[in-house]
Amino acid sequence: GDSVTQMEGPVTLSEEAFLTINCTYTATGYPSLFWYVQYPGEGLQLLLKATKADDKGSNKGFEATYRKETTSFHLEKGSVQVSDSAVYFCALSDQGGGGNKLTFGTGTQLKVEL
Amino acid sequence: DTGVSQNPRHKITKRGQNVTFRCDPISEHNRLYWYRQTLGQGPEFLTYFQNEAQLEKSRLLSDRFSAERPKGSFSTLEIQRTEQGDSAMYLCASSQVAGGLYEQYFGPGTRLTVT
Repeated sequence: GDSVTQMEGPVTLSEEAFLTINCTYTATGYPSLFWYVQYPGEGLQLLLKATKADDKGSNKGFEATYRKETTSFHLEKGSVQVSDSAVYFCALSDQGGGGNKLTFGTGTQLKVEL
Repeated sequence: DTGVSQNPRHKITKRGQNVTFRCDPISEHNRLYWYRQTLGQGPEFLTYFQNEAQLEKSRLLSDRFSAERPKGSFSTLEIQRTEQGDSAMYLCASSQVAGGLYEQYFGPGTRLTVT
């Protein structure tokens, strides 16, 4: 079945550092890929998405590129802020556009310190 | 747009009792999903509806679990004879399957504690 593997956390960075959170996936078809973020005490929010190979999703300074050849969707940000501290989840949907169920990774906690 | 709402936000129950959760999706969304999230894990899919039809159920959804969406609007998730292993956050999400808008929007969740 479909699966998503994320790097384990917590990841602790200083403010303005570069962030990479690795995500790889296994899927039988051509999934859509997503990053969701969960801030402390809040619900899951969609951060960015990509629906086909080589698409780049971006939002709030975060980027991720759909790499079919390496089955990866790594999340990056050039300069993190304390307000980026949250848990980040990589996910895939087994139908183009995300219409069907989401399969999530286990999440990576990011802590950004001054 | 008020977002997806879930009630109650927290529920503490004793083992063996029945509990029911409610989810109100974003009003124009025709798909509604239920997920379960345990501590330190990502959400796991339970079931989803398109309008009032339940289209898929996970093997995680034992026969003690039942979900309904009677008029294609709000949904309820009932757990009968709760067990301690049912303790988790239950998440609801909705999406609109039309016009290229497929993203799932999540509610704040209902945290269930079974004692």
